Amino acid sequence: GAGVSQTPSNKVTEKGKYVELRCDPISGHTALYWYRQSLGQGPEFLIYFQGTGAADDSGLPNDRFFAVRPEGSVSTLKIQRTERGDSAVYLCASSPISGNTIYFGEGSWLTVV
Amino acid sequence: AQSVTQLGSHVSVSEGALVLLRCNYSSSVPPYLFWYVQYPNQGLQLLLKYTSAATLVKGINGFEAEFKKSETSFHLTKPSAHMSDAAEYFCAYSFGNEKLTFGTGTRLTIIP
Repeated sequence: GAGVSQTPSNKVTEKGKYVELRCDPISGHTALYWYRQSLGQGPEFLIYFQGTGAADDSGLPNDRFFAVRPEGSVSTLKIQRTERGDSAVYLCASSPISGNTIYFGEGSWLTVV
Repeated sequence: AQSVTQLGSHVSVSEGALVLLRCNYSSSVPPYLFWYVQYPNQGLQLLLKYTSAATLVKGINGFEAEFKKSETSFHLTKPSAHMSDAAEYFCAYSFGNEKLTFGTGTRLTIIP
């Protein structure tokens, strides 16, 4: 596609439920990133993939958060037992090679009620 | 710990006036520095980046930023504000690895 695509654009879920957020990076981009942006804050790094492997997952807040990229393209961010504090915009980004310009998607707005 | 600080969470300027958005970094080693813009309901877009090649960096939409090591600053400027510049602006840094660390953002309002 022309840009980084994220689905769903909006998700409302109940506390305790499981959520999956999908990211489709720009075709050919090997690096993929997940960030989280809370209201009034800048984006916070969650995890970075180089190909299929997670090269840096130091930003994942706890073991309820997990992300995969099984074929080196599409990635899924998975959140178990959601809490109200998980409400945020989850941003995905990709870049053609490491250290190059990063392109962001429009984000998935998650609201936990 | 390393960080970037954006002074002023909200800045208002008149259309046609100078835009100045402030960013200071705290690191003993100069990092790579970036400015991103976020329009309502859109993703982050790179305005410009400093990677040690030149201290004055020109970006898109008439924006530029100057890296000043002595002041640990990387302020964003535009000579003449346009209504379309209204957005949220984020300063960010990295050390050549893949992790971008963002400031808290500055919301720019343009007064007609």
